[in-house]
Formats: sequence, structure tokens, C-alpha cells
Amino acid sequence: NAGVTQTPKFQVLKTGQSMTLQCAQDMNHNSMYWYRQDPGMGLRLIYYSASEGTTDKGEVPNGYNVSRLNKREFSLRLESAAPSQTSVYFCASSEERAGGEEQYFGPGTRLTVT
Amino acid sequence: GENVEQHPSTLSVQEGDSAVIKCTYSDSASNYFPWYKQELGKRPQLIIDIRSNVGEKKDQRIAVTLNKTAKHFSLHITETQPEDSAVYFCAASIVGNTDKLIFGTGTRLQVFP
Repeated sequence: NAGVTQTPKFQVLKTGQSMTLQCAQDMNHNSMYWYRQDPGMGLRLIYYSASEGTTDKGEVPNGYNVSRLNKREFSLRLESAAPSQTSVYFCASSEERAGGEEQYFGPGTRLTVT
Repeated sequence: GENVEQHPSTLSVQEGDSAVIKCTYSDSASNYFPWYKQELGKRPQLIIDIRSNVGEKKDQRIAVTLNKTAKHFSLHITETQPEDSAVYFCAASIVGNTDKLIFGTGTRLQVFP
């Protein structure tokens, strides 16, 4: 099993450009997440999907959109990139079970917006 | 909303010493508290977790304690080794949805040989 995969690994954008970060998991998990990681800020939840067809905002959703394409795939879109969106982006997934679940993270995408 | 504070932000210890990282959370209804380790340039990985019906959990050199009354939980690493050097994150579940987590800001642990 590949676990959680993300593409691309690195990306440089100019201000105003758009792009989509792709994420896929092969563990048959129901829940998927997008986080951003900035120095000194930890991991902050951008968007969350409890199941196919549903999405919910996290702590920092402004400037982003998501699509839960099917059970495996959860994409994150930046419509008009800004320098403040320079960050490392992690996708994660977990089974849905009451009481809390381990989240499995992808390898991350390092995005720079100039 | 839920808030998780983590201290210290950096921690340096000599190999063989113990390391303790502390977190506090704001919502008394939180019931799941995982700890993740992130090595440089790698993804976060779960190392241990604890649920609110348990006060302490141990896995070899790693232990976690939970004080629900004070709303704080701690990670204890004994007999530290250079390979323990990493950033450690605590997290707490968000009330109403136990699959969502709020993370602390991380602790950079350096273990010197």
C-alpha cells in the first residue's frame, strides 16, 4: 500500500496564479484533511471531508477550495495565490470511528508564492 | 473554539536524559490526545495517543499522562537517543467531531550525543 500520496512535491507560483494540489489514499479511509504548516504555527486545518461528497471548513479556509472527488481523492485548489499562502501543505486521512483516530499524513507539498 | 498550547518550543537534552513536553487544552469535552513526531523534511507520524478515560499510557521509552481536571497532558521520553531528535506535536480532538484535531505549535527536541 502506498498510504497517502500527494502531488506535486514542490511548486513555485507567481502571485495571482492558480493551482490544484492532489491527494489520494489507498487505505479505504472515510475522512480526509488538508493542513498547512508554517514555522512556529504547527499544523493548521484548512478543510476537512468526513466522507465522499461532504466538505467542511477548518481553522484557515480563506483563499482555498476543496473537492472530494471520490473516496480516494481530495484536492485543494488555490484560485489566486498570494505570498501569505507560501507554506508546506499536508494531506491526511483517517478511518471514521468514534473516540478519535490516527491520522496518516502524506509527504507534503512545499509551495512558494512570489 | 478549542485551543492547544505546547511548551517548551525548543528542548535540548544530553543523550540518556529524560525529556518532557507539556500541553494544555481549553475544551473540557475533548476526549482524544495524540502525539506526532516529525523528523526534518518528513511527514508527521503518530507515536502515542491517549483517550480521556485513561490517565497514563506507556510504550517502551515513551509515556503520556493526562490530567483531565487541569486540562493538560504531557509526553515523557526516557533514555533519550540522538534518533529522538525531531519536532513533536500534541493535539486534542475538537468537540462534536472526534476526527478533527487542533495541534499545538510543536517542540523541537535536540538530543546531543
